Amino acid sequence: AQSVTQPDIHITVSEGASLELRCNYSYGATPYLFWYVQSPGQGLQLLLKYFSGDTLVQGIKGFEAEFKRSQSSFNLRKPSVHWSDAAEYFCAVGAYTGNQFYFGTGTSLTVIP
Amino acid sequence: DGGITQSPKYLFRKEGQNVTLSCEQNLNHDAMYWYRQDPGQGLRLIYYSQIVNDFQKGDIAEGYSVSREKKESFPLTVTSAQKNPTAFYLCASSIGAAYGYTFGSGTRLTVV
Repeated sequence: AQSVTQPDIHITVSEGASLELRCNYSYGATPYLFWYVQSPGQGLQLLLKYFSGDTLVQGIKGFEAEFKRSQSSFNLRKPSVHWSDAAEYFCAVGAYTGNQFYFGTGTSLTVIP
Repeated sequence: DGGITQSPKYLFRKEGQNVTLSCEQNLNHDAMYWYRQDPGQGLRLIYYSQIVNDFQKGDIAEGYSVSREKKESFPLTVTSAQKNPTAFYLCASSIGAAYGYTFGSGTRLTVV
């Protein structure tokens, strides 16, 4: 069965520090992979996506993610975090059939000055 | 600009009442979805529709109903059978699994 695991419920980083949010998935084939960001009381915004080609993908707001098939991972990174990056981050897998998506439970990011 | 509009942003319901949450999209997407979000539980799928006049139950459909009479619209009714309806509700649409979702800005429902 398809599933997505975000092992870190909450992460705190200092402004200007680097960031890595972890995502592991379980899927029978090469999946479609996504990272979304949610500010409090808002909907989710797509940060980046992977479905083929270069395993390092660039997204909006300076984020990037790397697909590692051998580790079934799709970790999100940013070299220097800004206070405005404080939000909830969700990893998701899109299935080929049925147009279904599976979300992780999210990682809450706090940025301290 | 194309997008998804959810209304209202805040909704209050008395015990025993049915309420309907609106979701409209002008993206020409075939698929639409309703999710419920509770603190610490991520997103849980309530209902989804791949095409007009057809919809399927998600993981937590009990106490909810939907309709899909038009491609642009996918309203969600929270019935009195839903015992714990206070939550944040998100509507989304998609043109295909490779493209991800477009989300609305959500409706916060509170039972008073």
